[in-house]
Amino acid sequence: GQNIDQPTEMTATEGAIVQINCTYQTSGFNGLFWYQQHAGEAPTFLSYNVLDGLEEKGRFSSFLSRSKGYSYLLLKELQMKDSASYLCAVRDSNYQLIWGAGTKLIIKP
Amino acid sequence: ETGVTQSPTHLIKTRGQQVTLRCSSQSGHNTVSWYQQALGQGPQFIFQYYREEENGRGNFPPRFSGLQFPNYSSELNVNALELDDSALYLCASSLGLLGPTDTQYFGPGTRLTVL
Repeated sequence: GQNIDQPTEMTATEGAIVQINCTYQTSGFNGLFWYQQHAGEAPTFLSYNVLDGLEEKGRFSSFLSRSKGYSYLLLKELQMKDSASYLCAVRDSNYQLIWGAGTKLIIKP
Repeated sequence: ETGVTQSPTHLIKTRGQQVTLRCSSQSGHNTVSWYQQALGQGPQFIFQYYREEENGRGNFPPRFSGLQFPNYSSELNVNALELDDSALYLCASSLGLLGPTDTQYFGPGTRLTVL
């Protein structure tokens, strides 16, 4: 079967750095996405990785290792508004997105 | 704002009824996907349409059906509603099927409650 694993919940302090990990086992790989979802709202796109390495976009960076089936999302200079769920999703060989359950990130002052 | 809209925002139905949810994609986006998201879970893929044809389907029964129209709008129909169908239903549109252009942009969702 196909599986995406993320920690259920993480807590970090405002101004700090946090890394949210995602491991995946899917039938094929056609890219990995990270989305942010605030409670009661729709997911919003953060990043896309298809090749190994680090993609940086402002305070957010995402890393991919296809051989390890592993990705992480790095959030720097945390702000209170970053409190949200972070969803990892992998596009499989059928070009369908397989989603993790999300990591709820709690930011404390 | 993603340019993707959904209606209605909230909906309450009773078991056994039928429901139609609507989505309007970004202009020019040929692909629309529908997801079901239960509380505290990630989205579950229902199906995807590309240029008005179903292009993939997740593990949902046939009572979940859809349509995509030439004007970038689409529908999700659910027959014989069950209590477990209560969830947030999301549609997402994307330009294409491959590569960075398949980044999906989500609508605000329809919260369906089945009593």
